[in-house]
Amino acid sequence: DAGITQSPRHKVTETGTPVTLRCHQTENHRYMYWYRQDPGHGLRLIHYSYGVKDTDKGEVSDGYSVSRSKTEDFLLTLESATSSQTSVYFCAISGGASGGVGNQPQHFGDGTRLSIL
Amino acid sequence: KNEVEQSPQNLTAQEGEFITINCSYSVGISALHWLQQHPGGGIVSLFMLSSGKKKHGRLIATINIQEKHSSLHITASHPRDSAVYICAAQTSGSRLTFGEGTQLTVNP
Repeated sequence: DAGITQSPRHKVTETGTPVTLRCHQTENHRYMYWYRQDPGHGLRLIHYSYGVKDTDKGEVSDGYSVSRSKTEDFLLTLESATSSQTSVYFCAISGGASGGVGNQPQHFGDGTRLSIL
Repeated sequence: KNEVEQSPQNLTAQEGEFITINCSYSVGISALHWLQQHPGGGIVSLFMLSSGKKKHGRLIATINIQEKHSSLHITASHPRDSAVYICAAQTSGSRLTFGEGTQLTVNP
């Protein structure tokens, strides 16, 4: 299995509080992604990164920010959490160390279950 | 209409049956991915294909680029195959657009 660790695995917090989720990889892959998974929607891309300090928005980026200060870590931050952000969040990696865009499988972390009350 | 549509949404089979899950997409793609999500939530990449057919054990994935359609087949299904199977279209660069998934239950 690809070395991807998400933390925390579960979190319950209140509306309006800041939340940061961490994705850590040991594979030296260039691309990292944050998805959310909700019933009736499947997986949807929030943000992704194509290198250190290089990030871009996905289809559901409103209310989320990301940072990637080193290859192995990709952080997802909810500045002021809302109940609509209750979801299961998955991190994924792809691309290999050489970093070609080409067709590469994505490897997923185990997910973070986030509940915002 | 979603860019990636899967059918059926739910599928129940008896052990040993041949299973087919379908995926249609409406966008240009560089590759089509099939993933499996276990009951515990973990997601595993099964196949990535841009043409023809790929086989791994009892799993076979096919794609018809002209018809924008892909199928995932499972031969001699087993209860351990019970999972959600997800189709995803690789469109812009490395980005994926996902179908909603097919919940497969294989009964002994």
